[in-house]
Amino acid sequence: DSGVTQTPKHLITATGQRVTLRCSPRSGDLSVYWYQQSLDQGLQFLIQYYNGEERAKGNILERFSAQQFPDLHSELNLSSLELGDSALYFCASSLTGAKNIQYFGAGTRLSVL
Amino acid sequence: QQPVQSPQAVILREGEDAVINCSSSKALYSVHWYRQKHGEAPIFLMILLKGGEQKGHDKISASFNEKKQQSSLYLTASQLSYSGTYFCGTETAATDSWGKLQFGAGTQVVVTP
Repeated sequence: DSGVTQTPKHLITATGQRVTLRCSPRSGDLSVYWYQQSLDQGLQFLIQYYNGEERAKGNILERFSAQQFPDLHSELNLSSLELGDSALYFCASSLTGAKNIQYFGAGTRLSVL
Repeated sequence: QQPVQSPQAVILREGEDAVINCSSSKALYSVHWYRQKHGEAPIFLMILLKGGEQKGHDKISASFNEKKQQSSLYLTASQLSYSGTYFCGTETAATDSWGKLQFGAGTQVVVTP
């Protein structure tokens, strides 16, 4: 168990809908990262938050947004969902320092029908 | 920019060795190695910081050649439990990239009895 908690584990929804994925980082970790992994593909970096502030952005669509709350948990919001958004979404957290080791949650599997 | 991993896949018999390579076109600060079983979270294996250090984790070790921006992961005397997809994640030396990892496409490793 990495200590990173993601909910829900599975989400099944229809095209055009909006969903929210939640992530609780490991105790003490200030950074949260979101990744998308499509079927048998690599990990695509979406966005990073550090202590409530957006730190870095990757290939995140405008339909997607994220935030990190004062208690350091983070939410990834996906709207106007398309079939191609079906993927595993991982959250990772790190303490952030010289050895910025990221620990991954179990992921949320999103299926858009 | 995404690092390049090779080979794409490798099939081993128990006890055999394998090498997975990861190369980047950018100056690197660190290289992170992860293993992922199908549908599960990536598990952190090791981190290498610039300085050419070599690290080990059981019979899995890695090296980092910062001049060539390359890292190699060595699987020695492979075990069935080594099966999975191995990803390298690279962190560049650019200040605005600090903390952000770019992952390679992965190398699928299958260890057979």
